[in-house]
Amino acid sequence: GQSLEQPSEVTAVEGAIVQINCTYQTSGFYGLSWYQQHDGGAPTFLSYNALDGLEETGRFSSFLSRSDSYGYLLLQELQMKDSASYFCAVNRDDKIIFGKGTRLHILP
Amino acid sequence: GAGVSQSPSNKVTEKGKDVELRCDPISGHTALYWYRQSLGQGLEFLIYFQGNSAPDKSGLPSDRFSAERTGGSVSTLTIQRTQQEDSAVYLCASSLGATSGSGDIQYFGAGTRLSVL
Repeated sequence: GQSLEQPSEVTAVEGAIVQINCTYQTSGFYGLSWYQQHDGGAPTFLSYNALDGLEETGRFSSFLSRSDSYGYLLLQELQMKDSASYFCAVNRDDKIIFGKGTRLHILP
Repeated sequence: GAGVSQSPSNKVTEKGKDVELRCDPISGHTALYWYRQSLGQGLEFLIYFQGNSAPDKSGLPSDRFSAERTGGSVSTLTIQRTQQEDSAVYLCASSLGATSGSGDIQYFGAGTRLSVL
């Protein structure tokens, strides 16, 4: 079968660093993507990892370990505008499958 | 157009009526997905079209739901005999396709908010 696991909620303080983990079990794995969705908005693409290691884009970084079937999204210097839901998604060789999302709460 | 367009943006209907939701993907995108999202919940996969292949309908919750994609472009999601539990936001996304090598980045429309009274 296939599964994607990520925490339902995470809380962090403004200016801090937070890591959102994602574990997966699937066939035909191609890569791992991350999407951000603000309340009332549509999901938007953040990052994609096809190879092991860290991809950095500004304050956001994403990591993948294919051998561990594990990845994470790292958000640094948190800002209030980062309050949103974050979805990991498995890119398979046939289609993309989303996790249930992690709601990130940021405290001032 | 420049992005994925969905219409209507809001739809209020009475229980038992049929509704049609439209999605106009980005030109050149061969893959098109429909998702359903209830308030505060994740993305529930409904159906996936890839080029001329038979659609993956594995996520459709009942036979009241159907979708078609004409000419490899515009897609219509139809819900027959709507029920109150069908109330949700219906999102459409398009992409270059699973093997595009670029991570198959999905571009989402703004969604249709369906309310069944």
